[in-house]
Amino acid sequence: RKEVEQDPGPFNVPEGATVAFNCTYSNSASQSFFWYRQDCRKEPKLLMSVYSSGNEDGRFTAQLNRASQYISLLIRDSKLSDSATYLCVVISGNTGKLIFGQGTTLQVKP
Amino acid sequence: GAGVSQSPSNKVTEKGKDVELRCDPISGHTALYWYRQSLGQGLEFLIYFQGNSAPDKSGLPSDRFSAERTGGSVSTLTIQRTQQEDSAVYLCASSFTQGNEQYFGPGTRLTVT
Repeated sequence: RKEVEQDPGPFNVPEGATVAFNCTYSNSASQSFFWYRQDCRKEPKLLMSVYSSGNEDGRFTAQLNRASQYISLLIRDSKLSDSATYLCVVISGNTGKLIFGQGTTLQVKP
Repeated sequence: GAGVSQSPSNKVTEKGKDVELRCDPISGHTALYWYRQSLGQGLEFLIYFQGNSAPDKSGLPSDRFSAERTGGSVSTLTIQRTQQEDSAVYLCASSFTQGNEQYFGPGTRLTVT
């Protein structure tokens, strides 16, 4: 089993839709969590950190469920420019290394 | 401030040749990482440096791959006797220290013909 798992998608949604991605992690000792965004043929860029209490940045909301060992990313009022691959990242509780999920692809259609 | 930079941005080489890829991390970042990403695939961890500690080489796919980090800053990833399966984008990232969020460079696209 992979340490971090994501549904690869693709998720195809119309503009203005709300879409949510989940990511599960296997190591209960994991401490920190992030969402990255990667555009086609570009490097990954940090989208937001995920805090235990949940956090919001504009149209983006990230939540952590430690009991069930998953994190989520909610995007409201989707824009065409939100089309990208979203990577779930977990800091390994054992090594401190960042473990990247395979990514979830989002395609927002007009 | 300046981000992570990598050079060259593109490299085309013949099978069997050696290549060197360079990474300049963000100033003050003690941790530096190399990843590889093939087309349509996820990130594959290669090697990681943290300060003056011995690097974590657990992701290097073969002994043809090596990396060094001089003076705790610039890093070079070397691939000897390149093979076609080495073709990928090689990404470098740095972070303030181990366990913090990483910032990526634009990558080097390596094509082995």
